[in-house]
Amino acid sequence: DGGITQSPKYLFRKEGQNVTLSCEQNLNHDAMYWYRQDPGQGLRLIYYSQIVNDFQKGDIAEGYSVSREKKESFPLTVTSAQKNPTAFYLCATEGTGAATLSNQPQHFGDGTRLSIL
Amino acid sequence: GEDVEQSLFLSVREGDSSVINCTYTDSSSTYLYWYKQEPGAGLQLLTYIFSNMDMKQDQRLTVLLNKKDKHLSLRIADTQTGDSAIYFCAESCGYNKLIFGAGTRLAVHP
Repeated sequence: DGGITQSPKYLFRKEGQNVTLSCEQNLNHDAMYWYRQDPGQGLRLIYYSQIVNDFQKGDIAEGYSVSREKKESFPLTVTSAQKNPTAFYLCATEGTGAATLSNQPQHFGDGTRLSIL
Repeated sequence: GEDVEQSLFLSVREGDSSVINCTYTDSSSTYLYWYKQEPGAGLQLLTYIFSNMDMKQDQRLTVLLNKKDKHLSLRIADTQTGDSAIYFCAESCGYNKLIFGAGTRLAVHP
């Protein structure tokens, strides 16, 4: 089945620790996104990537890092510099490029819930 | 800057219609979206409307767009308990960027 797989579903971070959230897709989509969701708030964009080996900061990139070495994968690292990492993290993909002439909505994975120990 | 606003809660009786409202600020938005989120899950795309349309209907869902007032609504006919979830409105702002509202929690009671 085509889809977006986020892992793990739950993750715990100790003080001073970096943790990495995985996002893998087999939809052959060029663009991938990371959002953060806090209770009672909408989604806020952390980072996005429109093509392999390129990514851009979103609205709340501080304390996070990403890489895009393969089209299928867009891992997010929550560094120790992120002082309030407890949130629900959502990965999304979007088909772009000449092959997609009509609107291509973003599709989401099932999320990773990160908590501080 | 861009902003999307939604009311936070809506409670309806099973079988009634639900109407979830949204206002947005960016008049250049090309597409507007409705997503559904069930507890502990990601966002599921329900429907979307192009900005030059007034209405779009898809089975029990009807989207109305008033571009002059920058107002978007989602009507769910014959609301069922399985429709209980958080509903997010989102507008596209520029290339590959979505702005989300805070979400409306829909509770369906017998």
